Amino acid sequence: GQNIDQPTEMTATEGAIVQINCTYQTSGFNGLFWYQQHAGEAPTFLSYNVLDGLEEKGRFSSFLSRSKGYSYLLLKELQMKDSASYLCAVRDSNYQLIWGAGTKLIIKP
Amino acid sequence: NAGVTQTPKFRVLKTGQSMTLLCAQDMNHEYMYWYRQDPGMGLRLIHYSVGEGTTAKGEVPDGYNVSRLKKQNFLLGLESAAPSQTSVYFCASSETESAPQHFGDGTRLSIL
Repeated sequence: GQNIDQPTEMTATEGAIVQINCTYQTSGFNGLFWYQQHAGEAPTFLSYNVLDGLEEKGRFSSFLSRSKGYSYLLLKELQMKDSASYLCAVRDSNYQLIWGAGTKLIIKP
Repeated sequence: NAGVTQTPKFRVLKTGQSMTLLCAQDMNHEYMYWYRQDPGMGLRLIHYSVGEGTTAKGEVPDGYNVSRLKKQNFLLGLESAAPSQTSVYFCASSETESAPQHFGDGTRLSIL
């Protein structure tokens, strides 16, 4: 079967750094996505990795290791508005997205 | 920019009733998708379309039908609603098969 694992919930402090991990087991791999979803809102695209390594985009970075079936999303200089759920999704061999259940990130002042 | 628009935003149905959820996108995207999101679970693909006039089954298609008569619209139908279909439904679109998906704001559907 196909599986995406993420921690259910994480807590961090405003101004700090947090790393959200994602491990996956899928039938094939054609890229990994990270989305942000605020409560009651739509998911919005954050980052995309298809090759091993780090992709940096402002305060957010995403890392991929295909051999380990592992990715992480790194959020720096945390702000209160970063309180949201972060969804990891992998595109499989059929080009369909397999989604993790999401990590709820709580930012405390 | 409107992006992806879903109607209605909320709906309560009785078991056995039927309804149609409408998704409209103004980005001229070829690919459109319907997902459901339930607590503690990842988004699950119900049906998708790779272009006008085409539809295909996703992971959880039973109890749903779809149509894509116009490129900009993707309709999701529930023929006979069941309590198990209580969920938040998201429509998404993408320019290509490999491009990021853009989501609508969701439809919160309760089946009593």
